[in-house]
Amino acid sequence: GAVVSQHPSWVICKSGTSVKIECRSLDFQATTMFWYRQFPKQSLMLMATSNEGSKATYEQGVEKDKFLINHASLTLSTLTVTSAHPEDSSFYICSARDRGGGGEKLFFGSGTQLSVL
Amino acid sequence: LAKTTQPISMDSYEGQEVNITCSHNNIATNDYITWYQQFPSQGPRFIIQGYKTKVTNEVASLFIPADRKSSTLSLPRVSLSDTAVYYCLVGEEGGSYIPTFGRGTSLIVHP
Repeated sequence: GAVVSQHPSWVICKSGTSVKIECRSLDFQATTMFWYRQFPKQSLMLMATSNEGSKATYEQGVEKDKFLINHASLTLSTLTVTSAHPEDSSFYICSARDRGGGGEKLFFGSGTQLSVL
Repeated sequence: LAKTTQPISMDSYEGQEVNITCSHNNIATNDYITWYQQFPSQGPRFIIQGYKTKVTNEVASLFIPADRKSSTLSLPRVSLSDTAVYYCLVGEEGGSYIPTFGRGTSLIVHP
């Protein structure tokens, strides 16, 4: 199957700093990528849809100025958590859409555990 | 967007067959049914996808009745390593599809 690489796997940062998470599709072109966050024992919550060459579409309640998404190429999307605070500590997961052969399939990165001190 | 309903949790024992059912009463004509597996602290992994009847791969089988209002993921002879959360998603291929996850089913396999 398609491979999506995400890093870093984990990051610890001080409150007020910014953190960038990268998501790459290694063997296919992803015009659309999705960013999720997940709290312990909970499901994935969609944060935003990232479209190559255009602005991201954010879900209701997600601050676009805090969670900056850039999708500058067909294989790379980045999520920057700006001025991180402890409440931003979470598990962040990206996924890329791979079409063809029928229905929509999503391939996911391994996730990034963010801990803000 | 078709909403899905799954059992919150299931328990099984090694070697048994496990069937997890997902309800999607308002599935649309062009929607496919896709199942994902997630281990703790990892991103979900694609397991299987189907449109109607039965689909089988090396990992699982997916049974879809004629009315397509539900689907059943079947895991043959589970092992401890199948302990995970399983998610059912319904949607069509296309730019308007926004993949939203429900609560999923937490499967625990006991020795």
